[in-house]
Amino acid sequence: SQTIHQWPATLVQPVGSPLSLECTVEGTSNPNLYWYRQAAGRGLQLLFYSVGIGQISSEVPQNLSASRPQDRQFILSSKKLLLSDSGFYLCAWSDTYEQYFGPGTRLTVT
Amino acid sequence: RKEVEQDPGPFNVPEGATVAFNCTYSNSASQSFFWYRQDCRKEPKLLMSVYSSGNEDGRFTAQLNRASQYISLLIRDSKLSDSATYLCVGVNTGNQFYFGTGTSLTVIP
Repeated sequence: SQTIHQWPATLVQPVGSPLSLECTVEGTSNPNLYWYRQAAGRGLQLLFYSVGIGQISSEVPQNLSASRPQDRQFILSSKKLLLSDSGFYLCAWSDTYEQYFGPGTRLTVT
Repeated sequence: RKEVEQDPGPFNVPEGATVAFNCTYSNSASQSFFWYRQDCRKEPKLLMSVYSSGNEDGRFTAQLNRASQYISLLIRDSKLSDSATYLCVGVNTGNQFYFGTGTSLTVIP
């Protein structure tokens, strides 16, 4: 069966510091991968999605970037965090239809 | 206009009640639809797919109306454990997922 891992579970970072969040998927090949952010009390905002290694599409302009160095690995990065980057970051994978989420990383920028 | 819109609620219903959520979508090219459940501070989890013919899973029934471009979720005999936020999702032909902002449900003893 497929599983999706995200780490860390929680993170507190100062403004201006770098960020690296990692997501890995097991039990499937060539999945579509997604990064979402959910601000407190808000809906899901799609940040990036990837249909294959090195193929990244960005949905919104921001100070974040994503990379897919391996088939089942998706990384979200920032060089300098802003206060507005605080939120719940969710990685998800899909094959053809349904989408499945990882447990998420709760980021607080102070 | 958002791709998918739903009433944020909150819906507060007594145990045993029947509650229905509706969700409208703007992109007629949307191919697939789903309902997800999200508990507080947790990730969304797939609840059920939505088909034009309607589908039922225990106390939950989902329906799709392509002519009016809406999907619905009906929960019968509400349980305390049904308290959560329910998200509707549309997927287009490019496999892009569009999530609604969610409808909050609280089932009261």
